[in-house]
Amino acid sequence: AQSVTQLDSQVPVFEEAPVELRCNYSSSVSVYLFWYVQYPNQGLQLLLKYLSGSTLVESINGFEAEFNKSQTSFHLRKPSVHISDTAEYFCAVRKENTGFQKLVFGTGTRLLVSP
Amino acid sequence: DTGVSQNPRHKITKRGQNVTFRCDPISEHNRLYWYRQTLGQGPEFLTYFQNEAQLEKSRLLSDRFSAERPKGSFSTLEIQRTEQGDSAMYLCASTGAYEQYFGPGTRLTVT
Repeated sequence: AQSVTQLDSQVPVFEEAPVELRCNYSSSVSVYLFWYVQYPNQGLQLLLKYLSGSTLVESINGFEAEFNKSQTSFHLRKPSVHISDTAEYFCAVRKENTGFQKLVFGTGTRLLVSP
Repeated sequence: DTGVSQNPRHKITKRGQNVTFRCDPISEHNRLYWYRQTLGQGPEFLTYFQNEAQLEKSRLLSDRFSAERPKGSFSTLEIQRTEQGDSAMYLCASTGAYEQYFGPGTRLTVT
């Protein structure tokens, strides 16, 4: 079975400051990794994903995440946050290469960006 | 907008009543998932359809829950004899090659 740990339930940060949201996972098999963002009263939007290849993946809005297999981590970073980045961020994993693609989510990290 | 729609967006019901939610996935996706998200938690898997076949069910899905996907198109999730513990956001997702696209969810409040 897979599990995901997001140790920080809330991360407050000032606008234009850098931020890192931590994600660690556990799995006995190879996995794909995802970050989703959820704005209030909305569903989840895919932010970025790691499937294979380069361990550094980037999103279109300036976020990046690095897959570290030895540390079983997939931390999310942004060098300069905006007020509009305030949201809940979920890290998720699933087994590689199966028809059944159940996602296992962490408990989420609330990013609070203040002016 | 991910292309996945869910109705209704909000549902308030009294304990003991039955409720039904609908999910319309992206038309070319043949795989569909239901998740439940309670306050302060990440989504948890409930059930999975490939076309019209329900292939996986979580232990979270008690006998009061039933899901269907007739003709492999839209899906419905019904909860019978609702309990206060059923209050949650119910999310539907349809799957492309690798990633899942989520709908906006149905927020259920049981009073």
